[in-house]
Amino acid sequence: AQTVTQSQPEMSVQEAETVTLSCTYDTSESDYYLFWYKQPPSRQMILVIRQEAYKQQNATENRFSVNFQKAAKSFSLKISDSQLGDAAMYFCAYLINGQNFVFGPGTRLSVLP
Amino acid sequence: GAVVSQHPSWVICKSGTSVKIECRSLDFQATTMFWYRQFPKQSLMLMATSNEGSKATYEQGVEKDKFLINHASLTLSTLTVTSAHPEDSSFYICSADTQARNTIYFGEGSWLTVV
Repeated sequence: AQTVTQSQPEMSVQEAETVTLSCTYDTSESDYYLFWYKQPPSRQMILVIRQEAYKQQNATENRFSVNFQKAAKSFSLKISDSQLGDAAMYFCAYLINGQNFVFGPGTRLSVLP
Repeated sequence: GAVVSQHPSWVICKSGTSVKIECRSLDFQATTMFWYRQFPKQSLMLMATSNEGSKATYEQGVEKDKFLINHASLTLSTLTVTSAHPEDSSFYICSADTQARNTIYFGEGSWLTVV
């Protein structure tokens, strides 16, 4: 079965500190794409970062970076210098063959002032 | 990033009527669109995968005759909730695949309230 697991239902971080959200997945495919999406209270799903499975280099987008461990099927998100606006639900997901798009259950991140 | 527009953002309808939600890719062609339903404090639940010019593929447990999905063009997919009931009230959100970049972008979502 193709699944995505986010073992942390809730996380909190102090403003300006760093937090890491975990994600593991299960697929037998070798070629796929991994994503982290942010969903603030507005419910708009915002793409945070994307990783091609065939690339060993970890993707980075400003304060957001990932630790992609393909053999372990792990795809964690690190948020540096956390800001109040980072508070949201974060979803990990993968896309296979442009048709199979699987989401994790989400992690609710709180940022404490 | 690419833009996906969903309309309407909010809709209230009477029980027994039908309501249509549109999902448009504004600056790219989307051969595949996904429709989701999201319950409070839960993840997105995939309802169906819509491919342009062909019938949608529904997830197990989703009623095809109740949730009609049409993907008539490369930029537009519609979800019609037929004979709506209060239990259909929910947040519906669409997404589209930019195959050139293998990236999924989401619409803003639509709140449906059936009274």
